[in-house]
Amino acid sequence: EAQVTQNPRYLITVTGKKLTVTCSQNMNHEYMSWYRQDPGLGLRQIYYSMNVEVTDKGDVPEGYKVSRKEKRNFPLILESPSPNQTSLYFCASSTRGLAGGWKETQYFGPGTRLLVL
Amino acid sequence: SQQGEEDPQALSIQEGENATMNCSYKTSINNLQWYRQNSGRGLVHLILIRSNEREKHSGRLRVTLDTSKKSSSLLITASRAADTASYFCATDPAFERGATNKLIFGTGTLLAVQP
Repeated sequence: EAQVTQNPRYLITVTGKKLTVTCSQNMNHEYMSWYRQDPGLGLRQIYYSMNVEVTDKGDVPEGYKVSRKEKRNFPLILESPSPNQTSLYFCASSTRGLAGGWKETQYFGPGTRLLVL
Repeated sequence: SQQGEEDPQALSIQEGENATMNCSYKTSINNLQWYRQNSGRGLVHLILIRSNEREKHSGRLRVTLDTSKKSSSLLITASRAADTASYFCATDPAFERGATNKLIFGTGTLLAVQP
């Protein structure tokens, strides 16, 4: 089954304790991205990757890191989490659409709900 | 601020009625997409309309795009309780200089369909 998986699904942690949220897709997609979703703010892009070893900042990259060593995986790293990073996080992937663009059908993971105390 | 702004923020209707949601955006776009999100879950792609298209249908969904007004609407006909979800528009911005690799989401419309 074609899917994007995220782990963990729920995480409670404390300020400053490094954590990693994993994202994996089995569709051989080149494009992957991370979003955070907060009430009243919709989805905001954190980082994205056009392919292996190619990553770039989205709209809200501060406090986050990513890596893309393999095509299928795109982990999100919080080196020193803070309470303002409490949010619902989504990973998404896509491939080139019919018109050649990367931003057509995005496939989303189930989400990771993070609480930073 | 968000590129896409949905209107209304929340909508409650009876089963069988039609639901209309609107999305306004600020810049020129390559395409506009609509996604559905069931409570706390990942978003699911519903339909994409390109900037040179004015209307598109998919099952009970009808999307219109007015690039002169920078707005789009999503119509769900003969709604069902299972349509209860949040609906988001997302725009693929087009800029004169360079290209952007971002897809920009709005804040969503919460649709409740009462059985």
